[in-house]
Amino acid sequence: GAVVSQHPSWVICKSGTSVKIECRSLDFQATTMFWYRQFPKQSLMLMATSNEGSKATYEQGVEKDKFLINHASLTLSTLTVTSAHPEDSSFYICSASRQGPETQYFGPGTRLLVL
Amino acid sequence: AQKITQTQPGMFVQEKEAVTLDCTYDTSDQSYGLFWYKQPSSGEMIFLIYQGSYDEQNATEGRYSLNFQKARKSANLVISASQLGDSAMYFCAMREGGGNQFYFGTGTSLTVIP
Repeated sequence: GAVVSQHPSWVICKSGTSVKIECRSLDFQATTMFWYRQFPKQSLMLMATSNEGSKATYEQGVEKDKFLINHASLTLSTLTVTSAHPEDSSFYICSASRQGPETQYFGPGTRLLVL
Repeated sequence: AQKITQTQPGMFVQEKEAVTLDCTYDTSDQSYGLFWYKQPSSGEMIFLIYQGSYDEQNATEGRYSLNFQKARKSANLVISASQLGDSAMYFCAMREGGGNQFYFGTGTSLTVIP
């Protein structure tokens, strides 16, 4: 199967610090990776789409300087929440897709709590 | 207009009974894909089933089947013989054409009652 890992699964940090979340496709090469944010009891909100070696495409309303995305290789994408504030506390999920009519494979998610 | 509509915020089903979770979609593309995901309280998104717009047969995966009615633009998920472990949020999603972006519905919370 297609496995996507995400690290860390939980992070608690102080306001003002930066937090990096890694998303890896373990057994396939991901042409595209996606970053979502989910608030409690709500649907997934797409934040950005990234392709290996190119700049991420951010959804409207998502601050590029706040949420830095780097897609360094076909198996790794990182999301850095810069100068995190309590309102950035959320559940962040990444997903990866291969070429073709396939589903997105999701990571297990990262719960971020900013104090 | 919403691309994916799930009108049931919450559903209850008796253990061992079947349940249908509704999903309607909106697209002008001829080629698209429809997906269902399960999200338990742990948060991970578990892929359940896929239906392509050109697939003539309804998709089935074990106890999951997708009731695809193209003319009505509906893609309902049917779970047969419900189990306690089926209690979770269920999301319907669509991908249009050759694109990669998924559009998610607002989800349905399913509770299986013993």
